[in-house]
Amino acid sequence: NAGVTQTPKFQVLKTGQSMTLQCAQDMNHNSMYWYRQDPGMGLRLIYYSASEGTTDKGEVPNGYNVSRLNKREFSLRLESAAPSQTSVYFCASSWSGGGTFQTQYFGPGTRLLVL
Amino acid sequence: TQLLEQSPQFLSIQEGENLTVYCNSSSVFSSLQWYRQEPGEGPVLLVTVVTGGEVKKLKRLTFQFGDARKDSSLHITAAQPGDTGLYLCAGGSRPRPGSARQLTFGSGTQLTVLP
Repeated sequence: NAGVTQTPKFQVLKTGQSMTLQCAQDMNHNSMYWYRQDPGMGLRLIYYSASEGTTDKGEVPNGYNVSRLNKREFSLRLESAAPSQTSVYFCASSWSGGGTFQTQYFGPGTRLLVL
Repeated sequence: TQLLEQSPQFLSIQEGENLTVYCNSSSVFSSLQWYRQEPGEGPVLLVTVVTGGEVKKLKRLTFQFGDARKDSSLHITAAQPGDTGLYLCAGGSRPRPGSARQLTFGSGTQLTVLP
């Protein structure tokens, strides 16, 4: 099993360009997440998907859109990139079933630089 | 908005020393997790604690959840260079009906263990 995979690993964009970050998981998880990580700020949730066909905003959704293509895939789109979106983006997945806690499994990240 | 504050933000110690990292909040969490992240990779779960006052040990790492479930600590005994990394705490809360379980991440503690 590959776990959570993300593409691309690195990307440089000019202000105003658009791009889509791809994420796929092979663990049959129902929930998927997109985070951004900036120095000194930990991980901040951008969007998440509780299950196939549903998406919800997280803490910092402005400037982003998402698509839960199927159970395996969850993409993040930047329609018009801005320098403030320079960050490392992580996708994660988990099984959100019964119980009081979950383990999130993270991909290796996409490093994005917006000039 | 639930916030988790970690301290210290940076910690550099010599091999063999002991250290404690703290994670504090004014909010109650149903669970508290600790993740470790190495450069160029996504976070990986170390432990989950769910009961107030709970203590878990993982080799040289000891994790404690506060009695009121608002804080946690990570203690490392006889640190080794392999312990170097970013340590993140994450609080879990019960989701709204139909929503996914979310985690609130702390800003992280960057630990460097010098040989």
